[in-house]
Amino acid sequence: NAGVTQTPKFRVLKTGQSMTLLCAQDMNHEYMYWYRQDPGMGLRLIHYSVGEGTTAKGEVPDGYNVSRLKKQNFLLGLESAAPSQTSVYFCASSSGPPPNEQFFGPGTRLTVL
Amino acid sequence: SQQGEEDPQALSIQEGENATMNCSYKTSINNLQWYRQNSGRGLVHLILIRSNEREKHSGRLRVTLDTSKKSSSLLITASRAADTASYFCATKRDSNYQLIWGAGTKLIIKP
Repeated sequence: NAGVTQTPKFRVLKTGQSMTLLCAQDMNHEYMYWYRQDPGMGLRLIHYSVGEGTTAKGEVPDGYNVSRLKKQNFLLGLESAAPSQTSVYFCASSSGPPPNEQFFGPGTRLTVL
Repeated sequence: SQQGEEDPQALSIQEGENATMNCSYKTSINNLQWYRQNSGRGLVHLILIRSNEREKHSGRLRVTLDTSKKSSSLLITASRAADTASYFCATKRDSNYQLIWGAGTKLIIKP
């Protein structure tokens, strides 16, 4: 079992460019989450999904879009990247809603110039 | 908004010593969790304590919860080099799918 995987691991974008981060889980989890982690701050929830075909906004959704077309995949899109979106992005999944244990991917380090 | 706040921000101790980290929160909670993050990796769940529990153990970990003071502590006994990591607390509001995370305590275990 690979658990939660994220691609890519690193990416550098120029302001205004777009990209998609892919998260995949092989644990048959219903719930999936996208977080960003910035220095000196805790994780902040961007968007989450409670099942295939559903998405919902988290704490900091602006500038991001998500899709959950398949149960095992959760995509995070940046349509027009800004320097403020420079961060480390983590995907997580869980079998149920919080406080069920969340399983995290290794992260994607994104730099927007 | 930050619900949990860990204290201290950083802690450096000798291998074999005990390490204590604290987490304070602002609003009432149903439960509180602790996660560990090794450098450059994702977070790993350590332990969950519910609001009706005062103390919980898991191996070398001991977590306490004081709802009257809105605080929790994580004690790691007989620390090892492999315990070097950042430790985060997370709480959940009553009716919400979201966890609220603290900024973390960076623990360094010196050999």
